[in-house]
Amino acid sequence: TQLLEQSPQFLSIQEGENLTVYCNSSSVFSSLQWYRQEPGEGPVLLVTVVTGGEVKKLKRLTFQFGDARKDSSLHITAAQPGDTGLYLCAGPYNQGGKLIFGQGTELSVKP
Amino acid sequence: DTGVSQDPRHKITKRGQNVTFRCDPISEHNRLYWYRQTLGQGPEFLTYFQNEAQLEKSRLLSDRFSAERPKGSFSTLEIQRTEQGDSAMYLCASSFQRGNTGELFFGEGSRLTVL
Repeated sequence: TQLLEQSPQFLSIQEGENLTVYCNSSSVFSSLQWYRQEPGEGPVLLVTVVTGGEVKKLKRLTFQFGDARKDSSLHITAAQPGDTGLYLCAGPYNQGGKLIFGQGTELSVKP
Repeated sequence: DTGVSQDPRHKITKRGQNVTFRCDPISEHNRLYWYRQTLGQGPEFLTYFQNEAQLEKSRLLSDRFSAERPKGSFSTLEIQRTEQGDSAMYLCASSFQRGNTGELFFGEGSRLTVL
């Protein structure tokens, strides 16, 4: 059983479309992080959200942390082929030092 | 290059052999993590260190896996008597942790293939 459930697992869209990726849990997290991973490389941090209800923007990417700190979403506006990759949410397990990951959302943006 | 480095990048071995992976973290980072990742899936936690102390080890790991971080610097992950199910990417990450929130910096991984 995944503590962090991501949906959808796969997403294939055309350039210019919008999309949202979800990260859900039945547990409360003190913070959640979003990473992006390209083939053959390690994940790279995009953002950390800490406060319930927080919204952070990174160019065309908008991240939101749920009010109850049990879920988060990533919205991409006008997706581009360069956005292709594996998007991962992660959070500290039991608010300790162990960081656990969701199973990832594999995004493919076709030109 | 001052990022996290892992060695070797690729390892092909026969079932039953032992393998060892090395990770050199970013020098000022106090935490070091090992993860295992299969294709298209998220990283699965294996273990982590704070300085030289191993603070947690996944219950999913069998006794064939062991990790060390002598002197709180580089770390090694050894897999004894490898099995085909051990084939995966082994990722190392380091962070400078204050409290529970900190950015993990990942290496490029060590890909293991067990024949």
